[in-house]
Amino acid sequence: AQRVTQPEKLLSVFKGAPVELKCNYSYSGSPELFWYVQYSRQRLQLLLRHISRESIKGFTADLNKGETSFHLKKPFAQEEDSAMYYCAGWDSGAGSYQLTFGKGTKLSVIP
Amino acid sequence: DSGVTQTPKHLITATGQRVTLRCSPRSGDLSVYWYQQSLDQGLQFLIQYYNGEERAKGNILERFSAQQFPDLHSELNLSSLELGDSALYFCASSVSENTGELFFGEGSRLTVL
Repeated sequence: AQRVTQPEKLLSVFKGAPVELKCNYSYSGSPELFWYVQYSRQRLQLLLRHISRESIKGFTADLNKGETSFHLKKPFAQEEDSAMYYCAGWDSGAGSYQLTFGKGTKLSVIP
Repeated sequence: DSGVTQTPKHLITATGQRVTLRCSPRSGDLSVYWYQQSLDQGLQFLIQYYNGEERAKGNILERFSAQQFPDLHSELNLSSLELGDSALYFCASSVSENTGELFFGEGSRLTVL
C-alpha cells in the first residue's frame, strides 16, 4: 500500500536554529507529495507541494527519489512556526484518488 | 465565509446511536472528502465524492455511509456508534477530483459515551 511515514512525533528546536521535518514515502511511479500545516486553533491548510518547488514562509521541501524522502526544511526557525506538520501523498493509481497523510510531527520552537 | 463549513462542531452521544455530520464545500468546489482523526491513527481517509458520485473509498466502516447532494453539500452518517468512533471528523473540498490540494473544514468532534 502507498504510504507516508513521519518518524518524529515531536520536534523541539530553538528560535533561529535550522529545522528539518522528516518524511519518507513508498509510492510506485511518480508520487505527488505535499506538506500541510495546522497552527493552533486553525484549520489544516496546504503549506507547499513538491511540483511547485516554491518556498512558503521560508520552508522548502525537495523530493529525493533515491532516498524516497520529502523532508521539510527551514534555515532559521521562528516562534510562529510552532504547529503540527503533516506530510501527504496523492495517489491517483487505478482511478482511485486519495490523499494519504502521515501521522504528523509537532514542531515546537523554543524562544 | 466561503470556506468549508462543518456542522455540528461538537457532538456528544451514546453507544448504539446514529449521528449525521454535515459539510458544505467551498464555493465552486465539486469534490468532497471525509477524514477521521483519532489520537493513535492520525488522519485516516474515509471517502471521496465528486459532483455527487463516489470516487474513492478508504478505511470506512460498513456502519458509516456518506453522500453528496445535488447542491454539493455532503453528509457523513455514523450508526451503531461505538466508543472507538470518538474522533475528529474532517471534511475537505477541492475544485477537481484529481488534486491533492484540499481545503479543510474545522472538523466535527464526536464523543461517544
